[in-house]
Amino acid sequence: SYVLTQPPSVSVAPGETARIVCGGNNIGSKSVHWYQQRPGQAPVLVIYYDSNRPSGIPERISGSNSGNTATLVISRVEAGDEADYYCQVWDSSSDHPIFGGGTKLTVL
Amino acid sequence: QVQLQESGPGLVKPSETLSLTCTVSGGSLGGYYWSWIRQPPGKRPEWIGYISFSGTTKYNPSLRSRVSISLDTSKNQFSLRLSSVTAADTAIYYCATSIGGAHGGFDYWGQGTLVAVSS
Repeated sequence: SYVLTQPPSVSVAPGETARIVCGGNNIGSKSVHWYQQRPGQAPVLVIYYDSNRPSGIPERISGSNSGNTATLVISRVEAGDEADYYCQVWDSSSDHPIFGGGTKLTVL
Repeated sequence: QVQLQESGPGLVKPSETLSLTCTVSGGSLGGYYWSWIRQPPGKRPEWIGYISFSGTTKYNPSLRSRVSISLDTSKNQFSLRLSSVTAADTAIYYCATSIGGAHGGFDYWGQGTLVAVSS
């Protein structure tokens, strides 16, 4: 079945830019969704269909997808961005959605 | 805005059946896909399955033999049944919906309910 690979952790200073990657075989041919999950809370959709932001998500959060890597970019990082981030695609081979292992974003 | 709320027992004995209900408010069940997703503590989310407004279901192949999802449009609810549970089924269970289609992202989530499997 399809596998999504994320780095376990990313650290960035306030005001800098965080890039969280999600690797998968030819992931550029799939639609990628990204979630933010703060401790003790449910996941929140922050990017859908590769690069679209739901209403209420700030413009400094963006996404891209090409080749074997999808990327979530958070510009001008704030303390409130500290959370776990998960990528998700629909696995056409097993016909169900799957999630990456998650990346913990730490704001230094 | 759509809101979802899970309800059900927080403790289930091994080999028994886990049953949860999700109540939808702020909108009807029409036109969308209604999913159950679980997340063991410290692990990634795992999709369990969905039901559409028309009653079409799809389940995670790894759980298909034990899962059933049903709809009660009169109460604006959908439900999960997971049979023959073991400790591996201990997790936070979320209900969620995909507004953007079956393959869309999960736009709205309930707050989640922790279900522990233990004797």
